[in-house]
Amino acid sequence: GAGVSQSPSNKVTEKGKDVELRCDPISGHTALYWYRQSLGQGLEFLIYFQGNSAPDKSGLPSDRFSAERTGGSVSTLTIQRTQQEDSAVYLCASSLAAVLNTEAFFGQGTRLTVV
Amino acid sequence: AQSVTQLGSHVSVSEGALVLLRCNYSSSVPPYLFWYVQYPNQGLQLLLKYTSAATLVKGINGFEAEFKKSETSFHLTKPSAHMSDAAEYFCAVSADNTDKLIFGTGTRLQVFP
Repeated sequence: GAGVSQSPSNKVTEKGKDVELRCDPISGHTALYWYRQSLGQGLEFLIYFQGNSAPDKSGLPSDRFSAERTGGSVSTLTIQRTQQEDSAVYLCASSLAAVLNTEAFFGQGTRLTVV
Repeated sequence: AQSVTQLGSHVSVSEGALVLLRCNYSSSVPPYLFWYVQYPNQGLQLLLKYTSAATLVKGINGFEAEFKKSETSFHLTKPSAHMSDAAEYFCAVSADNTDKLIFGTGTRLQVFP
């Protein structure tokens, strides 16, 4: 596609339910990132996929959070047993990552509200 | 680990005034530095990036940033603010010789007529 696509754009879920957020990166981009944006918290790094390397999961806040990237393309971020503090905008980005300091292109995000 | 600190969560300027948004970084290796902008209800987009080729980097919409190693800073400036510059600005550093981007907490710029 022309840009990074995220779905759904908005998600309201009940506390305790599981949610899946989807990211379609730009075709050919080998690097994919997930961030969480909360008011006053900036962009919190969650996880980073780079080609066939093991993902960098150092930013995942708890074991309720997981992500996978199938076939080096689409990625799914899963949050199990959602809590109210999980409410935020979840942003996905991708980059060529052929060399360092390549530009990351961001999707519009998924706004998650846990009620 | 590398990190960035953005001083001032909110900055307000008058239209036509100088814009200065501060960013300091921490890095044990030469960093790659970026400024991203997020306009209201839009996604993040790249303003400019430091590639080590030149310490003064020019970006879109008249913004520029200067890399100062001695001060570990990469402040963003624009000589004359426009109303359309109102947005949130994020400084970022790539970490540990990978493409993983670490962002600051952001600075919200307001421009008054």
